[in-house]
Amino acid sequence: GAGVSQSPSNKVTEKGKDVELRCDPISGHTALYWYRQSLGQGLEFLIYFQGNSAPDKSGLPSDRFSAERTGGSVSTLTIQRTQQEDSAVYLCASSVEALGANVLTFGAGSRLTVL
Amino acid sequence: AQSVTQPDIHITVSEGASLELRCNYSYGATPYLFWYVQSPGQGLQLLLKYFSGDTLVQGIKGFEAEFKRSQSSFNLRKPSVHWSDAAEYFCAVFSGGYNKLIFGAGTRLAVHP
Repeated sequence: GAGVSQSPSNKVTEKGKDVELRCDPISGHTALYWYRQSLGQGLEFLIYFQGNSAPDKSGLPSDRFSAERTGGSVSTLTIQRTQQEDSAVYLCASSVEALGANVLTFGAGSRLTVL
Repeated sequence: AQSVTQPDIHITVSEGASLELRCNYSYGATPYLFWYVQSPGQGLQLLLKYFSGDTLVQGIKGFEAEFKRSQSSFNLRKPSVHWSDAAEYFCAVFSGGYNKLIFGAGTRLAVHP
């Protein structure tokens, strides 16, 4: 696609429910990143994929968070048993490859509110 | 560990005034540096980047930034601010060891008419 597409744009859920957030990167981009932006905070790195593999999962806040990427394209970030502190905007970005001299293009984000 | 510091959380300027947003980084090797802008309810848009070469880089919307290795800085500047520049600005450094962008906490810019 022309840009990075994320869905849903807004999600309100109850504490304890599971949520899935989807990211569709720019066609041909092999690297995909997930970041979290909490209210008044900067961007917190969660995980990145090079192809379908995730070499670095160190940013995932807890074992309730997981992510997968299939076919080197779409990625899903899953949060199980959501907590109120999970409320944030989840941003996805993609780049041609996971190296420094590449620009990350970001999606508009998925705003998650946990009641 | 690599880090990015944006000392100013909020800045307010008058329309037409000049602007400088500060960014300091901590990184052992030659850094890849970026400035992104986030307008309300929007994703992040790349303003400019520094990879190598000329230390003064030009970006979109009339912004420029200067890489100063001796000061570990990459400050963003604009000679004359427009009301539409009101947004949050993020400085970032690419961490080659971890293959990820590390962001500063951001500077929120308000523009008075």
